[in-house]
Amino acid sequence: ETGVTQTPRHLVMGMTNKKSLKCEQHLGHNAMYWYKQSAKKPLELMFVYSLEERVENNSVPSRFSPECPNSSHLFLHLHTLQPEDSALYLCASSQDLGVGDEQFFGPGTRLTVL
Amino acid sequence: AQSVTQLDSQVPVFEEAPVELRCNYSSSVSVYLFWYVQYPNQGLQLLLKYLSGSTLVKGINGFEAEFNKSQTSFHLRKPSVHISDTAEYFCAVRDSGAGSYQLTFGKGTKLSVIP
Repeated sequence: ETGVTQTPRHLVMGMTNKKSLKCEQHLGHNAMYWYKQSAKKPLELMFVYSLEERVENNSVPSRFSPECPNSSHLFLHLHTLQPEDSALYLCASSQDLGVGDEQFFGPGTRLTVL
Repeated sequence: AQSVTQLDSQVPVFEEAPVELRCNYSSSVSVYLFWYVQYPNQGLQLLLKYLSGSTLVKGINGFEAEFNKSQTSFHLRKPSVHISDTAEYFCAVRDSGAGSYQLTFGKGTKLSVIP
């Protein structure tokens, strides 16, 4: 595997389900990100981790819970979601948090909440 | 907080014709600017970035962008497009302030290249 991978690629869940999205980066980077991409809205940054510590949390509802067990893996735990949470969830990584550090994106998980 | 405006949600253009995708951002003392491309069913890929120096920035796949501070713009251009350029393009801005990690994205412009 190379770059940033995300699993699953597609997920359909009910509002009472609990599921997790997984992201893995094979680039040796220190920083990882979760973004939400909704139709007709700008990409929204959800969480930022650097060296496994959360450094930014952009007022995301508590039904989204991130976990970064090591610098290569990032999870997004989902529970009691709402239909408006349906979106493409993108994971990204960068060498560090510097402005010149390019963010490399995974292909995303298409989430549908019924 | 920063905001980014991409005025055109969709741009159709014939193959081998030139294209310009517009991006304006809200003013700030100093910003860094980026263009990303997203092909169908894929994540975002960096096309080019402006951090400092020359206001004309060249990127991958023959794209370039010009930073205009007075007009707070960072328009993306390509002199001759190919079918493979069909994708969605996102402009993004980042404040230069310390501790600012956030990229603020525009809503995107869908470029459709017509054979």
